[in-house]
Amino acid sequence: SQQGEEDPQALSIQEGENATMNCSYKTSINNLQWYRQNSGRGLVHLILIRSNEREKHSGRLRVTLDTSKKSSSLLITASRAADTASYFCATVTNTGNQFYFGTGTSLTVIP
Amino acid sequence: GAVVSQHPSWVICKSGTSVKIECRSLDFQATTMFWYRQFPKQSLMLMATSNEGSKATYEQGVEKDKFLINHASLTLSTLTVTSAHPEDSSFYICSAVRLGTGPNYGYTFGSGTRLTVV
Repeated sequence: SQQGEEDPQALSIQEGENATMNCSYKTSINNLQWYRQNSGRGLVHLILIRSNEREKHSGRLRVTLDTSKKSSSLLITASRAADTASYFCATVTNTGNQFYFGTGTSLTVIP
Repeated sequence: GAVVSQHPSWVICKSGTSVKIECRSLDFQATTMFWYRQFPKQSLMLMATSNEGSKATYEQGVEKDKFLINHASLTLSTLTVTSAHPEDSSFYICSAVRLGTGPNYGYTFGSGTRLTVV
């Protein structure tokens, strides 16, 4: 399977705390993207990091990429209740435009 | 910009009937659209890649005769679930790649279709 894995599967934190999610993948990639999904809804693109980049920031989001370990992490700082959602990493392969999602992390931020 | 409309948002159908789901890029042209399915509390599984004017490319294990994909224009791809059965009940989501862009851009997703086969 092309699917990557994420951990933890579920994460529950207090509002204001930081949330860290990890993603591991299997193949060589062109880039890795993080998406957010609210329950039963479509996906929202959060951030993209290219294979030649190691870290990227966007607002309260910080993404790292280690291609030697085939892993990425997403850090959400100063979490809010509205950040409650499922977060998925998706890898875009070098061989084509297909991309494959990780297993996802369900984040709950408690007010 | 970059809006993808998916219709219907939910559908209930009887076992044995066919259901068509539409995915439209509203404000851009999309050479490629992807179809995913998602079971409850699980990740998205890529079903097929739909290219305008050519046959879709299906992932291993996805029956192309059961999940018919048509990408007749640069703004519309359809997924038809033929002879649906209860095990086809799932959340189906499409995404579109803007014409002229490639894998270094974020993809735009539709809001999904909840299919329930009874």
